[in-house]
Amino acid sequence: GESVGLHLPTLSVQEGDNSIINCAYSNSASDYFIWYKQESGKGPQFIIDIRSNMDKRQGQRVTVLLNKTVKHLSLQIAATQPGDSAVYFCAENISGTYKYIFGTGTRLKVLA
Amino acid sequence: DAGVIQSPRHEVTEMGQEVTLRCKPISGHDYLFWYRQTMMRGLELLIYFNNNVPIDDSGMPEDRFSAKMPNASFSTLKIQPSEPRDSAVYFCASGYGGGTEAFFGQGTRLTVV
Repeated sequence: GESVGLHLPTLSVQEGDNSIINCAYSNSASDYFIWYKQESGKGPQFIIDIRSNMDKRQGQRVTVLLNKTVKHLSLQIAATQPGDSAVYFCAENISGTYKYIFGTGTRLKVLA
Repeated sequence: DAGVIQSPRHEVTEMGQEVTLRCKPISGHDYLFWYRQTMMRGLELLIYFNNNVPIDDSGMPEDRFSAKMPNASFSTLKIQPSEPRDSAVYFCASGYGGGTEAFFGQGTRLTVV
C-alpha cells in the first residue's frame, strides 16, 4: 500500500531499544481507538486497541496509553525488532458511529 | 479464513474509462468500509455499509464514485469516468458489530493515465 506521505514523521530506533509513537486525535466524542501497522505493499494490520474507559492496555511487546484530557494516544513497542519497521497509524472511532478516522501515520525505522 | 479479498491488486486505466474495484469481506462481518490512501491525504474513509446498507457516504469525493453491496459477501466501488487524480490505493475493510477493529484487505493500486 502507498503509505508514504511527503510529510510523514519518521522515528528511527536502534534494534533492541523501546519505541514510542505518538498520536493526537481530534474528536472528544471518540470512545474507541486502534493502532494499525502498515508494511509496504500491504493493508493496515491491527495491533492493539483501547476504549475510552481505560488509560492503558498491554499486549505482547506493545502498550497503548490514552490521555483523554489532552486527546493523546501513544504506542510503546518494547525491544524493537527489524520486523517492526513499518508505518503506524492511530484510528479513532467516534461514539455513535462506526467511522474510523485515521491519523497521518508515523514511519518507524529500526536500525541494526 | 482468507481475510478480506480485493481484486484486482493492480489496475491501470486510461482517463475517461470506467473502473470497478471488488471486495469480498470476511464471512460473518456486518460492516464494510471503503478507504482511499494517497501520499497527500493519507487514509480517507469513502463510505461504509452495515448489513449491506450504505450508512455514510459523506467521504465519496463526487458523483463519479459509487459503491454497492448487493449481498453480504460482495461489494464494488465504481469510478466513472476515471481521472488521473483518482490514482491511489483503495482499501476495503470489514468488521463485526462496530466498536471493534476493522480488518483490511491488501488493497487495489489504481493508476489512471
